[in-house]
Amino acid sequence: AQKVTQAQTEISVVEKEDVTLDCVYETRDTTYYLFWYKQPPSGELVFLIRRNSFDEQNEISGRYSWNFQKSTSSFNFTITASQVVDSAVYFCALSGYRDDKIIFGKGTRLHILP
Amino acid sequence: GAVVSQHPSRVICKSGTSVKIECRSLDFQATTMFWYRQFPKKSLMLMATSNEGSKATYEQGVEKDKFLINHASLTLSTLTVTSAHPEDSSFYICSAFDSRSNQPQHFGDGTRLSIL
Repeated sequence: AQKVTQAQTEISVVEKEDVTLDCVYETRDTTYYLFWYKQPPSGELVFLIRRNSFDEQNEISGRYSWNFQKSTSSFNFTITASQVVDSAVYFCALSGYRDDKIIFGKGTRLHILP
Repeated sequence: GAVVSQHPSRVICKSGTSVKIECRSLDFQATTMFWYRQFPKKSLMLMATSNEGSKATYEQGVEKDKFLINHASLTLSTLTVTSAHPEDSSFYICSAFDSRSNQPQHFGDGTRLSIL
């Protein structure tokens, strides 16, 4: 069975601080995809990243970075120099390699305080 | 720009009415579409998977007679909530992708359904 655990339900940090959102996953598949999505208060899902299980290189995109550790089944997401606009719910998710149905974690609600 | 259009974005209606939500892929052929439901402050839960021209596959616990899904073309899937009641009030999101490509799923902006 596939499962995604986001242990942090809610996080609050002051603007400009760095923040890391944790994600641990379980799957029996040898090939799979991992995702992060942002859901602002308006409700739409904003795609942030998709990483396949073959690629353990860390990824950086502007203030966002992702650390994929297959050994610990983790795919953590770090926002550096956080901004108020980063306030949202962030979902980590998992799917099979054929981009089959996506299993979402419960989400982490991030508050960036001015 | 949006590659998946979901309509309407918000609907309020009386208990007992049926509501249809449309999900359209704008610039690609969606061989597969998914429908998710999200309760307030909760995660997205997959309701069903639909492949073009086939009957939808529903997740355990989802009533197929309550939530009718049609995927008659490669660009359109519809979800009809039949005889809606207040407990059906929720945020519904569709996603679409072309299983022949390596592109990730594209999500619609969601429909907020409120049943009075």
